[in-house]
Amino acid sequence: QRVTQPEKLLSVFKGAPVELKCNYSYSGSPELFWYVQYSRQRLQLLLRHISRESIKGFTADLNKGETSFHLKKPFAQEEDSAMYYCALSFAGFQKLVFGTGTRLLVSP
Amino acid sequence: GAVVSQHPSRVICKSGTSVKIECRSLDFQATTMFWYRQFPKQSLMLMATSNEGSKATYEQGVEKDKFLINHASLTLSTLTVTSAHPEDSSFYICSARDRAPNTGELFFGEGSRLTVL
Repeated sequence: QRVTQPEKLLSVFKGAPVELKCNYSYSGSPELFWYVQYSRQRLQLLLRHISRESIKGFTADLNKGETSFHLKKPFAQEEDSAMYYCALSFAGFQKLVFGTGTRLLVSP
Repeated sequence: GAVVSQHPSRVICKSGTSVKIECRSLDFQATTMFWYRQFPKQSLMLMATSNEGSKATYEQGVEKDKFLINHASLTLSTLTVTSAHPEDSSFYICSARDRAPNTGELFFGEGSRLTVL
């Protein structure tokens, strides 16, 4: 079980579209999450694939064919600047494996 | 939302001493808690899964005699770094899952930075 986030840093201007990439490897049915860590704050859940929701304008679609769960937002805001972790849960939520994280920096 | 509290947030100790870090779920019961270690600018590495009332399950490569985990109640898990050495210096983070409902969401503590001199 592995989660890959190829970009360590993603720097965009305010209002630009954002896509944070996440690929996973898991033979079973994956449960995928995006967690976010704002400056000086603890990790918190941003969204999970099973709920198919949009949080703070972010969406993520599970693509089983490409084994991807990319995080997208059409118009980035400065307050989106944070560290984003893609995570894979399995064994009935018994384990959660994190990717290496992508730092998103949104400039004015 | 659910709150997980870690204590202490920072600890400095001498080499050879033992350090205990507490992780508490403040407003929910957590049958399972997880301990992670994070090196600078790196991802969270799962160290062990702590189950209330039973022995912790350690990940490959994590020394269970070095990192003692106790989960004595539904709201408290402790990680004890025994005979700490400078290479144990790191950021340790605990997380917990609410037993009901089980949505898979983990709630994280604020982390504990250990510095071993």
